[in-house]
Amino acid sequence: DVKVTQSSRYLVKRTGEKVFLECVQDMDHENMFWYRQDPGLGLRLIYFSYDVKMKEKGDIPEGYSVSREKKERFSLILESASTNQTSMYLCASTAGTVNTGELFFGEGSRLTVL
Amino acid sequence: QKEVEQNSGPLSVPEGAIASLNCTYSDRGSQSFFWYRQYSGKSPELIMFIYSNGDKEDGRFTAQLNKASQYVSLLIRDSQPSDSATYLCAVVGSGGGADGLTFGKGTHLIIQP
Repeated sequence: DVKVTQSSRYLVKRTGEKVFLECVQDMDHENMFWYRQDPGLGLRLIYFSYDVKMKEKGDIPEGYSVSREKKERFSLILESASTNQTSMYLCASTAGTVNTGELFFGEGSRLTVL
Repeated sequence: QKEVEQNSGPLSVPEGAIASLNCTYSDRGSQSFFWYRQYSGKSPELIMFIYSNGDKEDGRFTAQLNKASQYVSLLIRDSQPSDSATYLCAVVGSGGGADGLTFGKGTHLIIQP
């Protein structure tokens, strides 16, 4: 079974803190994604990566950055957390192109910024 | 801006009946269409995909696509309480997936025993 592991299920941080959300997949997938999910707004793409050291902005990249130093690991970084970044963050991966549509999601990281 | 629209619900359906979930999309060149199911507190999981106009059946699920009307639907026959979840429509746009999937906001489905 494909496994996408997000290191932290629940985090509470203070405004201005630097936050790292880690995601690791064990199926040698090329493509990895970070989404945030908010009530009434659905899933929104923050960043994605098609290869090591490669990154592309999604629909809402402002306030975020990413790192992909190894194929299996894709990290989301909040340089200076703000309250409007309180959300559920979902990491996903897929082999090949997204045309196949089968994104494998991690269990999510619920971040609260106070 | 690509848009995928769904009625947020809740959609309440009696057990054993057919649940019909609908989705429209704005990018006329969209290529691939997906339905994800998300249980409360869980992550989305893929249940159906469809690429061509017409119907595609998989067990109790049928996906329907009409590209001319920019409309995709999911039918769930013999609905069970375990089908209660939020159903997310997702689309690969005319860019061919270069920017990932675009998700709708989801329809909350409740199957009443």
